[in-house]
Order: sequence, then C-alpha cells, then structure tokens
Amino acid sequence: KQEVTQIPAALSVPEGENLVLNCSFTDSAIYNLQWFRQDPGKGLTSLLLIQSSQREQTSGRLNASLDKSSGRSTLYIAASQPGDSATYLCAVYGATNKLIFGTGTLLAVQP
Amino acid sequence: EPEVTQTPSHQVTQMGQEVILRCVPISNHLYFYWYRQILGQKVEFLVSFYNNEISEKSEIFDDQFSVERPDGSNFTLKIRSTKLEDSAMYFCASTRDPNTEAFFGQGTRLTVV
Repeated sequence: KQEVTQIPAALSVPEGENLVLNCSFTDSAIYNLQWFRQDPGKGLTSLLLIQSSQREQTSGRLNASLDKSSGRSTLYIAASQPGDSATYLCAVYGATNKLIFGTGTLLAVQP
Repeated sequence: EPEVTQTPSHQVTQMGQEVILRCVPISNHLYFYWYRQILGQKVEFLVSFYNNEISEKSEIFDDQFSVERPDGSNFTLKIRSTKLEDSAMYFCASTRDPNTEAFFGQGTRLTVV
C-alpha cells in the first residue's frame, strides 16, 4: 500500500529565504506526482505536476524534482514571500487513477 | 481560467439526514472525483467517475454514499444518512485524462450535529 510522507511537518523562514520541502513515497511504481498549495479552510491549488518520465518541472519561483528510484520528490521555493505561507501537499498517482496524499508541510514566511 | 466550482461552501445537517453536495467540473474534463479531508488529517480518496459510472471507490465509500452526473455539467455526491464521523471538508476534482493534473474545487465543509 502506497504511503506518502512529508518532512518537515512545519517550517518557519524569514522572507527572501530559499527553501526545500520534501516528499517521500514507499512504492516507486508511480505514474505522476502533483504538488498542491492549501490555504486555511480552502481548496487545493495545483502548483506543479511532474510526469514519471520527468526529473524536474519549473513554474515561476517553484521547482519540483522527482527521483522515482529513491521514492522522493522535492519542492524548491526561491526567494520566499509572506504570500507563500500555506500548507503544501504532495500527492502521487499509483497503479489506479487516484491521488494519494501526504500529510503536508505547513509553511510560514515571516516578513 | 476554468475552475471547478462546488456548492454549498458550508452545510450543517442533523445526524441521519440526507445531504447532496454539488460540483461543476471543468467543462472539457472527462474524469471526476470526490475526496474528503477530516480536520487535521490527510486528504483521502472517495470515488472516481468516468463515462457515467464509478471507476473506483474506497473503503470509505459505502452504501450510504452515491454519486451522479444528473446532466451535462453537474456532478453530485449524496450521503443518505449522515453520521457524526462524516463531518469533513469534501472536495470535488476533475481531470481531462487519467493520472493527469487534477483541479480541485474550494470544497464543501460538512458539519453533522
């Protein structure tokens, strides 16, 4: 059974800092991996989708990497801003067409 | 930009009552999903739907739950007899193809009292 873990559970950084969020999954036989942002009491906003054949995907200040063989993905956020404060979720597509979510990393960017 | 819309944003219901949560997926998407998130827990899969039938359902999705696409735009989740433990945020999502970028709605917060 696929398990997705995110470390750290919470992170607080000063504005302007670059940071890395980690996601690990137990079964490397995934199709794609998707990163989301969730604001308190709100829905999930898609940030990036990395296909299983890709190693990296970039969108603006965000860069996501995928290493299937080691069961890891990272989300790199450059030059963090207070508006980046949210919970970041990673989710993987396994053998069937459904997303399996991690526990999330709660990010606070201090002005 | 196309988006998934859900109504209502918040619903309070008494235990044992039926509720219907509504969703309008992105118009050219073919695959529809319901997920839920109990407060403080992970987002978890409930059901996927394609071509007017359920593709997959989780253990949570028992006989009290049903989904329907009553017309060309709406996708609904019905809970027949709500329990206290059904209290959660329910998210609708859609994708154009399998295993592709999923777009989620803003959620319906269901509170069962």
